[in-house]
Amino acid sequence: EIVLTQSPDTLSLSPGERATLSCRASQSVSSSHLTWYQQKPGQAPRLLIYGASNRATGIPDRFRGSGSGTDFSLTISRLEPEDFAFYYCQQYSNSPLTFGQGTKVEIK
Amino acid sequence: QVQLQESGPGLVKPSETLSLTCTVSGDSVSSYYWNWIRHPPGKRLEWIGYAHFSGTTNYNPSLKSRVTISVDTSKNQFSLKMTSVTAADTAVYYCAKWGESLEAFDIWGQGTVVTVSS
Repeated sequence: EIVLTQSPDTLSLSPGERATLSCRASQSVSSSHLTWYQQKPGQAPRLLIYGASNRATGIPDRFRGSGSGTDFSLTISRLEPEDFAFYYCQQYSNSPLTFGQGTKVEIK
Repeated sequence: QVQLQESGPGLVKPSETLSLTCTVSGDSVSSYYWNWIRHPPGKRLEWIGYAHFSGTTNYNPSLKSRVTISVDTSKNQFSLKMTSVTAADTAVYYCAKWGESLEAFDIWGQGTVVTVSS
């Protein structure tokens, strides 16, 4: 099973600042099989980035995904108030499909 | 736009069977791969498995012996059954659609809380 480790666990930033979230895999993951989701309290996760770097429909261009192999990242260029949430990475290069433990982006 | 809605008991007794249903609206269940995912408190999201209307299924090996996912085309629903539950099965349970072109979960239900307790 591929273990995904996200860092940091919590990111405390102000609106307008840049956020960089990391997702490290215990084994190599195909870029096409790495996905990022956003989740707000009481809501379902929402697809943000698929194939490591492709924004899902309706996702603003301040969200950017990158990386390959075992190291992936999600960058939010300028945080908007609605971006403060939990973010999860997920892989399915190997079965079973697994998720990272999540990063909470909170208002400083 | 496809929408998913989970339903089922919020409280299940230990050793009993957890049964949840996901109702699909806006598209036919006779397409795509339909998944269940759960989020236990304080733990990471866990993929439970998927089913296709053709009968194809795939389960997380950690749960495979206790889980069945099936598709009911007559009701446009799919369901999850998990036997012999314990407190460790307490979680928010989500149903989700796998978007084949995106290779990701592109539609999720709102989630339903299931507590295992006597």
